[in-house]
Amino acid sequence: DIQMTQSPSSVSASGGDRVTITCRASQDISRWLAWYQQKPGKAPKLLIYAASTLQSGVPSRFSGSGSGTDFTLTISSLQPEDFATYYCQQAYSFPYTFGQGTKLEIK
Amino acid sequence: EVQLLESGGGLVQPGGSLRLSCAASGFTFSSFAMSWVRQAPGKGLEWVSVISGSGGRTYYTDSVKGRFIISRDNSKNTLYLQMNSLRAEDTAVYYCAKWFGDFGAVRGWFDPWGQGSLVTVSS
Repeated sequence: DIQMTQSPSSVSASGGDRVTITCRASQDISRWLAWYQQKPGKAPKLLIYAASTLQSGVPSRFSGSGSGTDFTLTISSLQPEDFATYYCQQAYSFPYTFGQGTKLEIK
Repeated sequence: EVQLLESGGGLVQPGGSLRLSCAASGFTFSSFAMSWVRQAPGKGLEWVSVISGSGGRTYYTDSVKGRFIISRDNSKNTLYLQMNSLRAEDTAVYYCAKWFGDFGAVRGWFDPWGQGSLVTVSS
C-alpha cells in the first residue's frame, strides 16, 4: 500500500495568514493526489484534485502543487471558515489511502 | 444539485450483519462509479470499496474483502454496502461518495460525499 504522510499534524494560525500543508507519498504517484477539507461533524469536501486543479466553487485562495512524491496545499489568506482538518488522498492505486490529517486551528 | 443520503446504520453485535444504503439524486447515477469511505471515531479517513457505473467491477480494501459486498441498483439510483461478520474495528461513520477519474486505470477521487451513517459494532 502507498503510505501518505502529512505535516504538520496540527498548525495554529491567525486570520489573514498564509499556511502551507505538505503531503509525502511513499512512492511516485505522478499527479494523482487530492486534498479534502473536513469540518467537525461534517463530511469531507473535495478542494483540489490532480494535485493542482481547483474543484468548482472552491475559493482561489486555495492552491495545490507538486508531483511524484511531494505535494503541498497552500491557503493564501486564512478566512474564519478555513479552520478545519485537511486530508490528502492518493488516487494512483488501490487501496486508495489518505494522510493522517492536518488540523488547522485558530491562534 | 447532487445529493447523497445514507441510511441503515446502527448498533450491531460482533459477528452480525448490516446493510447500508445511499440514495442518489441530481445526476445520471448509472454513469458514475460510486464508493464507500469510512471514518472511525476521532480518526482519519479509510477507503472501503468502489463499484463501476454498471456494477460489473468492484474493488475492496483488504480488511473488508470476503466480508463486505458493494452493489448498486441503477433503477433505484441507490448504492449499497452489505456488511457481514462485523468486528469492533468496523465501527465508523460510513460515507458514500460519487467517484470520478479514470476508472479504466482505477484512479480517481471522491466528490461529493453524503452526510454519513454511523455503524457501531459492540456487545
